[in-house]
Amino acid sequence: EPEVTQTPSHQVTQMGQEVILRCVPISNHLYFYWYRQILGQKVEFLVSFYNNEISEKSEIFDDQFSVERPDGSNFTLKIRSTKLEDSAMYFCASSAMTGGTEAFFGQGTRLTVV
Amino acid sequence: QQQVKQSPQSLIVQKGGISIINCAYENTAFDYFPWYQQFPGKGPALLIAIRPDVSEKKEGRFTISFNKSAKQFSLHIMDSQPGDSATYFCAANKGSARQLTFGSGTQLTVLP
Repeated sequence: EPEVTQTPSHQVTQMGQEVILRCVPISNHLYFYWYRQILGQKVEFLVSFYNNEISEKSEIFDDQFSVERPDGSNFTLKIRSTKLEDSAMYFCASSAMTGGTEAFFGQGTRLTVV
Repeated sequence: QQQVKQSPQSLIVQKGGISIINCAYENTAFDYFPWYQQFPGKGPALLIAIRPDVSEKKEGRFTISFNKSAKQFSLHIMDSQPGDSATYFCAANKGSARQLTFGSGTQLTVLP
């Protein structure tokens, strides 16, 4: 069964450092997303990406965040200067259709900022 | 108006019982309502979803009931099993948008 894969599973970084979280979406999917989940809280939308550009972003997705699809398979989330409050589980998701329908989530990357 | 309110926060059910989780929304533009199941350390997994043109959808032991006029929808898990113990999130989406708006989650524990 096709799945979304994320690397690394856990990343620890010092405050102020840059991190890149990586995702390989399901191969025939066209829409890509990043969500985050602070421990014990709900899943929050960060950004959606289609046709090599951002289609929607939330208030959380400020100038410190960027996304890229550097090649035909990877989808990355970069945080330029991490803050303590960026500590969360970050989920990549992909869907074949628009509207977030039938979005499939990866297993997540736990980011810990110290 | 973008919120999806979910209750209860936690639920304990005996094996074989019925688990019921409720969600309410305000935005009438929402037209897709999925439920996700999440086990500890894993990503949310799509369980079942409904569109507002039907009032109920059943897949195995899982049923979504949808009340468009009340702007509410609920997940029913029949014959609940210990393996169903997980966190369940309702979500909503409007067709033109990309993002899912999630509820706050319900931690379900099914006792053996």
